[in-house]
Amino acid sequence: DIHMTQSPSSLSASVGDRVTITCQASQDITTHLNWYQQKPGKAPKLLIYDASNLETGVPSRFSGSGSATYFTFTISSLQPEDIATYYCQQSIGLPTFGQGTKVEVK
Amino acid sequence: EVQLLESGGDLVQPGGSLRLSCAASGFTFSTYAMSWVRQAPGKGLEWVSAVKDNGGATYYVNSVKGRFIISRDNSKSTLYLQMNSLRAEDTALYYCARDRRYPDDVFDLWGQGTLVTVSS
Repeated sequence: DIHMTQSPSSLSASVGDRVTITCQASQDITTHLNWYQQKPGKAPKLLIYDASNLETGVPSRFSGSGSATYFTFTISSLQPEDIATYYCQQSIGLPTFGQGTKVEVK
Repeated sequence: EVQLLESGGDLVQPGGSLRLSCAASGFTFSTYAMSWVRQAPGKGLEWVSAVKDNGGATYYVNSVKGRFIISRDNSKSTLYLQMNSLRAEDTALYYCARDRRYPDDVFDLWGQGTLVTVSS
């Protein structure tokens, strides 16, 4: 199984701050990496696919980059509605998710 | 409206069985692979099982192999998960998810989830 490690597990930032989350894969997954947002009490929502492609309708302040084993997810200017837990997911083998990063506003 | 609606979650005793359903609407169900993803209370997401668009191939996470069976009825646009020999660690909110790019597993549509509680 491919293991995904996200960092940090939680963070607190101010509105307008740049927020970055990292995700490391236990083996090379090229760019088979997706990012999801899960707001409290809601189902996950796809934000980024193939490491850097923005899903239709997702605000451009969200972005992703990386390849092989190291990936980053960035919110360029944190908004109050971005309060959520974010998960990475690899899609080259049977899918596995990172443990999640909880984002809070200071 | 494009949506997935899960049902069938319940409180069940250890060793018991349960069948979850996921009714799809608003899209051509038969052209998509589908998955079940679960989330234990206060925990992260765990992929559980997947089935190809025609039902011809199925896949499972190791922890449920031999106990869970995924299936689908394309004539009814419905996905199922038969859960047998349930354990306390199966307690979770179970989501069905549409995979728009099997086998690359990009989950672009999710249901609201159905809660399974395994407890005596």
